[in-house]
Amino acid sequence: ETGVTQTPRHLVMGMTNKKSLKCEQHLGHNAMYWYKQSAKKPLELMFVYNFKEQTENNSVPSRFSPECPNSSHLFLHLHTLQPEDSALYLCASSDHRANTGELFFGEGSRLTVL
Amino acid sequence: GESVGLHLPTLSVQEGDNSIINCAYSNSASDYFIWYKQESGKGPQFIIDIRSNMDKRQGQRVTVLLNKTVKHLSLQIAATQPGDSAVYFCAENSGGYQKVTFGTGTKLQVIP
Repeated sequence: ETGVTQTPRHLVMGMTNKKSLKCEQHLGHNAMYWYKQSAKKPLELMFVYNFKEQTENNSVPSRFSPECPNSSHLFLHLHTLQPEDSALYLCASSDHRANTGELFFGEGSRLTVL
Repeated sequence: GESVGLHLPTLSVQEGDNSIINCAYSNSASDYFIWYKQESGKGPQFIIDIRSNMDKRQGQRVTVLLNKTVKHLSLQIAATQPGDSAVYFCAENSGGYQKVTFGTGTKLQVIP
């Protein structure tokens, strides 16, 4: 148990569907992240939120839309995705006061786009 | 561009032996270097980090070595156990505000 919970753990969707991934952290952190993990590729940073404000968008296509309503919750809204978007989407949080790079990850949401 | 890379994709070690996982980095401006462990079906888990002004740091059964001259980072695991089987990622924090860049990962297989 890492203190970061992601739902759903598995999601299958068609290219015309709209779905959302949810992340919740119980660690009192104020920074939250979305990473994408594809087979044989490094983890790719997608978005960073600090105190609910987006501070990083790593050139992510607009078919991925993040939302951070408060410091404990983070969503990733998905629409008109492509098969190459199939991957493990990882949420993480960190203490904004720490600058070491220690991230606390959830177990991920495995997304398959048909 | 800046990159963090791993030398070997797979490392097999006998249970009880020591493991050494290596990593090369190219961004000299990174403040921290970090090792993460990812077990099957789980997210990455922080193991240990080292600040750029240090060359060695020890944890419980793990030691991280940093050689800034050759831009090399290594993770040593003493008395490797079956539970150490996982993918290990090196990462660097160079953005000043938790902009962590990950390498491709090395899979460690422990042979009983």
